[in-house]
Amino acid sequence: KQEVTQIPAALSVPEGENLVLNCSFTDSAIYNLQWFRQDPGKGLTSLLLIQSSQREQTSGRLNASLDKSSGRSTLYIAASQPGDSATYLCAAPLGSGNTPLVFGKGTRLSVIA
Amino acid sequence: DGGITQSPKYLFRKEGQNVTLSCEQNLNHDAMYWYRQDPGQGLRLIYYSQIVNDFQKGDIAEGYSVSREKKESFPLTVTSAQKNPTAFYLCASSILEGSYNSPLHFGNGTRLTVT
Repeated sequence: KQEVTQIPAALSVPEGENLVLNCSFTDSAIYNLQWFRQDPGKGLTSLLLIQSSQREQTSGRLNASLDKSSGRSTLYIAASQPGDSATYLCAAPLGSGNTPLVFGKGTRLSVIA
Repeated sequence: DGGITQSPKYLFRKEGQNVTLSCEQNLNHDAMYWYRQDPGQGLRLIYYSQIVNDFQKGDIAEGYSVSREKKESFPLTVTSAQKNPTAFYLCASSILEGSYNSPLHFGNGTRLTVT
């Protein structure tokens, strides 16, 4: 059964710093993985979807990588800003094919001005 | 604007009462999902539906029921059998593209408090 783990649970950094959020998953028979952002009391916003064939996906200051063989994904945020403060969640499919996503518990990021 | 609408935003109920949470999408998405989020926890899947008039249980379906009579609507009923119903409930939808997941779109959630 798919399990998703995110480390660290919380992270506080000064503005301008580059940072990496980590995600690991147990079932590597997946076609893709997704990263989301959640602001307090809100729903989730999709940030990046990485296909296993791509290994990496970029959107602005965000870059996500996927290594199926090691069961790991990372989200790199460049030049962090206070507006980046939120909880970041990664999610992997329950199994192969079009199956529901299993979520990690998230990393709560605080960027201090 | 296309999107997912969950209503109400806050809901208060007395213990022993059933309550229905609304989820409507105008994205023409095939699949719809209900997740539950508790403080400090990730999202847990309650039910999902990939086609009208069909749905599947997720990890924590006990005490919940759903229906999918229309493509755009997927209401969730929290019954009195659900032992710990107080939580933040999130509805989501996605396109079904063959064997691959497409980006998941979320509503803004309903916070249910049962006392």
